Amino acid sequence: GDSVTQMEGPVTLSEEAFLTINCTYTATGYPSLFWYVQYPGEGLQLLLKATKADDKGSNKGFEATYRKETTSFHLEKGSVQVSDSAVYFCALSDLGSSASKIIFGSGTRLSIRP
Amino acid sequence: GAVVSQHPSWVICKSGTSVKIECRSLDFQATTMFWYRQFPKKSLMLMATSNEGSKATYEQGVEKDKFLINHASLTLSTLTVTSAHPEDSSFYICSAMGGRPLHFGNGTRLTVT
Repeated sequence: GDSVTQMEGPVTLSEEAFLTINCTYTATGYPSLFWYVQYPGEGLQLLLKATKADDKGSNKGFEATYRKETTSFHLEKGSVQVSDSAVYFCALSDLGSSASKIIFGSGTRLSIRP
Repeated sequence: GAVVSQHPSWVICKSGTSVKIECRSLDFQATTMFWYRQFPKKSLMLMATSNEGSKATYEQGVEKDKFLINHASLTLSTLTVTSAHPEDSSFYICSAMGGRPLHFGNGTRLTVT
């Protein structure tokens, strides 16, 4: 079945460092890909998404490009801030199915030092 | 503001009792709602898909008699953990879909003592 694999955390960086969180997926169809973020004490929020190959999703300085050839959707940010400390989930959804359920990766906890 | 409200945000109950968690879509009609469970340091696990007016579809390995889901209206779905045990302690999150991107509730932390 469909699955998502993302790098294990925790990831600890200094402020203004470059961030990459790797994510790869396995899917039988042509899924949409997502990054969700969970700030401490809050629910999940959609950070960005891409619906087809070579699409780039971006939001709040974060970017991820849908790479079909490598089945990847790595999350990047050029200069992280303390406020970016959160848990990040890579996810996919096969919008061709009626349920359109989302399959999540295991999450990566990011901590940014001032 | 929040478009999906989940209540309560945390609950502590005694073993053997039942707990009901509510998930409401605040400004849209949610034809489909999903219930997830998040284990410590693990990903979100889809438990069931709930469609308004019909029976929920449970994922493999999820006990439907243990986790009762009701989606009686287009804005409300409930998850009842029946005869709760300490191993049911977890973080439960709902999400709602209805003509817009999926929105998640803030989750419910259940602790069974």
